[in-house]
Amino acid sequence: GAGVSQTPSNKVTEKGKYVELRCDPISGHTALYWYRQSLGQGPEFLIYFQGTGAADDSGLPNDRFFAVRPEGSVSTLKIQRTERGDSAVYLCASSPGQGPTYEQYFGPGTRLTVT
Amino acid sequence: ILNVEQSPQSLHVQEGDSTNFTCSFPSSNFYALHWYRWETAKSPEALFVMTLNGDEKKKGRISATLNTKEGYSYLYIKGSQPEDSATYLCAFKSSGSARQLTFGSGTQLTVLP
Repeated sequence: GAGVSQTPSNKVTEKGKYVELRCDPISGHTALYWYRQSLGQGPEFLIYFQGTGAADDSGLPNDRFFAVRPEGSVSTLKIQRTERGDSAVYLCASSPGQGPTYEQYFGPGTRLTVT
Repeated sequence: ILNVEQSPQSLHVQEGDSTNFTCSFPSSNFYALHWYRWETAKSPEALFVMTLNGDEKKKGRISATLNTKEGYSYLYIKGSQPEDSATYLCAFKSSGSARQLTFGSGTQLTVLP
């Protein structure tokens, strides 16, 4: 079946611009996660959705970052007034549940470059 | 702040060699330990989820062990092949925040033909 997809695969934007990154999870997965991987580091948690609501947004670095999942499926990560430090690979993952043995299935990521 | 460490940071081995990497994580509030394989330009691929102390999991030539009391997991690759070249990530799930994964920075493996 189809895996997690993310669009665009690459995004180059100028400092100060607004960007939206889209994630299509695996059909039927209720949990959706956003992570960010900066160069030389492992992915870092940003936000977690259970259904339509953001159950944990403790990883969002500041109020320039916002994410939505209005119908409990597709999610959009929105970044306002982008800064060069926002350059990273943004990964989305979905999961059918929350227990310890549930896998998180990742998309290929969106590589964001802020010039 | 949860600290998940992986070593070595990078590794070059010859085709046919066996190799192993280490992941260390907090020994308290353990919930699960995940291993992922991430090839360039692809999605991270789930290898194992391990939840019990002493767990051993195997998938083909790759296996993993788990020690939750001392806070470490080993990933082994037997008879490495060039297609095993990838970054191997471990990720810790704490019972305190049981939904998110805390990743190490990965071990980048290159298998030379």
